[in-house]
Amino acid sequence: AQRVTQPEKLLSVFKGAPVELKCNYSYSGSPELFWYVQYSRQRLQLLLRHISRESIKGFTADLNKGETSFHLKKPFAQEEDSAMYYCALSGASGSRLTFGEGTQLTVNP
Amino acid sequence: GAVVSQHPSWVICKSGTSVKIECRSLDFQATTMFWYRQFPKQSLMLMATSNEGSKATYEQGVEKDKFLINHASLTLSTLTVTSAHPEDSSFYICSARRARSPYEQYFGPGTRLTVT
Repeated sequence: AQRVTQPEKLLSVFKGAPVELKCNYSYSGSPELFWYVQYSRQRLQLLLRHISRESIKGFTADLNKGETSFHLKKPFAQEEDSAMYYCALSGASGSRLTFGEGTQLTVNP
Repeated sequence: GAVVSQHPSWVICKSGTSVKIECRSLDFQATTMFWYRQFPKQSLMLMATSNEGSKATYEQGVEKDKFLINHASLTLSTLTVTSAHPEDSSFYICSARRARSPYEQYFGPGTRLTVT
């Protein structure tokens, strides 16, 4: 079974502060991990995925297989980063996505 | 590119009636489409996976006779909620995946269903 856990439902930081959104997963094989973001009144969209090892909007995420984690980080949060963030896992190529519960990030001015 | 639309964006229906929700990939061919349900302040729960031209695969606990899914073409999938009841009120979201991008799903804006 595949499972994704985001321990924080709400996270509030001040503008310019570092932010880390936690994600832990459970999967017996080699997972593909993703971060999706949903801004207010907008659809869910892909933020980044671990296989591409890219930085999007200043966010990065590193897959730590030893700790089964895929935390999302940004060194200096911006107000426009305020959104709901979902960590998601996919098993074999093209298989279903399992989403975490989501973390609502609020960046205060 | 890779835009997914849903119609309607919101619908109110009476208990006992059926409602059809459409999901379209506007600028690409979607070999696979997914249907999710999202309750307020909760995560997305996968209901079913549909591949073009074949029967949908439903997740455990999802009634296939109640939530009818049809994926007749590479750009259209429909979800029909039959004999709707108030507990079916929810936000229904579809996503689509194209053959050459097996890892990425493109999400629709969602459909708010309210059953009175």
